[in-house]
Amino acid sequence: QKEVEQDPGPLSVPEGAIVSLNCTYSNSAFQYFMWYRQYSRKGPELLMYTYSSGNKEDGRFTAQVDKSSKYISLFIRDSQPSDSATYLCAMRIPSGSARQLTFGSGTQLTVLP
Amino acid sequence: DGGITQSPKYLFRKEGQNVTLSCEQNLNHDAMYWYRQDPGQGLRLIYYSQIVNDFQKGDIAEGYSVSREKKESFPLTVTSAQKNPTAFYLCASSIVTGRRNNSPLHFGNGTRLTVT
Repeated sequence: QKEVEQDPGPLSVPEGAIVSLNCTYSNSAFQYFMWYRQYSRKGPELLMYTYSSGNKEDGRFTAQVDKSSKYISLFIRDSQPSDSATYLCAMRIPSGSARQLTFGSGTQLTVLP
Repeated sequence: DGGITQSPKYLFRKEGQNVTLSCEQNLNHDAMYWYRQDPGQGLRLIYYSQIVNDFQKGDIAEGYSVSREKKESFPLTVTSAQKNPTAFYLCASSIVTGRRNNSPLHFGNGTRLTVT
């Protein structure tokens, strides 16, 4: 079993839809949670960075962490064709080493105009 | 603009040849990383360095080598010993605060290496 599981999709939605992207994890020590957006043939760019449980909102994006269920989500409101990309979740334990950063395999999202 | 520059964007090599991928950053970040990305898999850590002249193996270091002679530069050499080198290679950097490194990673735009 992978430490972080992410539905690979592909996921297609019409423009304006609310999108929900999810990751589950098995390591209860994870405390920092990130969502990255990766356009085709580009590097990932950081969208959201949260610590521990709760919600964080940034414009049309909301990140949600439920540590009791070991489940994180990224919601995209009023989705746009420019949101079409692969979304990667990542998480880490509090540590001085980068080894503890673990990525999901990514969900490919297409927003249709 | 500050950022991470990876070059070249595309690289083609014959099997048995070593090849070096360039990564330069002007973000003044202490830590730098190399990841490999394959279809359907998450990013896998090859090597990382938290300070000049020091680097550590990641999860899949076999067949790769790195150097960190300058803070800004972290080149990756894919050697002929790497059994499956064709992949998308990503360089990243982050701030190191005190003894902890919990800051997020900033990525370059990658180098796609094809070995035939």
